[in-house]
Amino acid sequence: GENVEQHPSTLSVQEGDSAVIKCTYSDSASNYFPWYKQELGKGPQLIIDIRSNVGEKKDQRIAVTLNKTAKHFSLHITETQPEDSAVYFCAAGRGGGATNKLIFGTGTLLAVQP
Amino acid sequence: NAGVTQTPKFRVLKTGQSMTLLCAQDMNHEYMYWYRQDPGMGLRLIHYSVGEGTTAKGEVPDGYNVSRLKKQNFLLGLESAAPSQTSVYFCASSYVGGDTGELFFGEGSRLTVL
Repeated sequence: GENVEQHPSTLSVQEGDSAVIKCTYSDSASNYFPWYKQELGKGPQLIIDIRSNVGEKKDQRIAVTLNKTAKHFSLHITETQPEDSAVYFCAAGRGGGATNKLIFGTGTLLAVQP
Repeated sequence: NAGVTQTPKFRVLKTGQSMTLLCAQDMNHEYMYWYRQDPGMGLRLIHYSVGEGTTAKGEVPDGYNVSRLKKQNFLLGLESAAPSQTSVYFCASSYVGGDTGELFFGEGSRLTVL
């Protein structure tokens, strides 16, 4: 079946450094790739998403890149801050309303050391 | 705005007991979902609903039932709890299908089955 692999499972960086989380998907029909951030004791929250018709999208300190040929996409956080510490999930979906086809990665625990 | 509210937030059950988790959303969303989150396994879809009176199976539906009698509520039931159902459960809702647009999550319900 379809799956999404996410690496690394844990990531520790110094405040101010950059962090990169990578995901690979198996379903070539996927065309929607969101990233969710989950703070301790909270539910996941969408931070950025990208669709297959673009290769890169930025929002202040976060950016996502997509390589459809290789079927992988990445989250980049620059100038990390302690409040960036959380679990990050990538996901891949086919779009078109197939609501059971959003597949999540296993998550990355990011720790930003002050 | 309350967004997505889950009750209860914590529950301990004995094997074989039954219980119901309640999810309520005040955003007038058509789509609602129940996920479970387990360490190292990300978020897995249990059941979902595309509108009032409709439900469908997700990735891991066995041992669970759901009902969507009112548009704003989505109930998840466990008829005979098993230790394998120990998990954190998240409800989510969305305006469009989750494989196309943003999911709004509740804060989670932690269930322990002894």
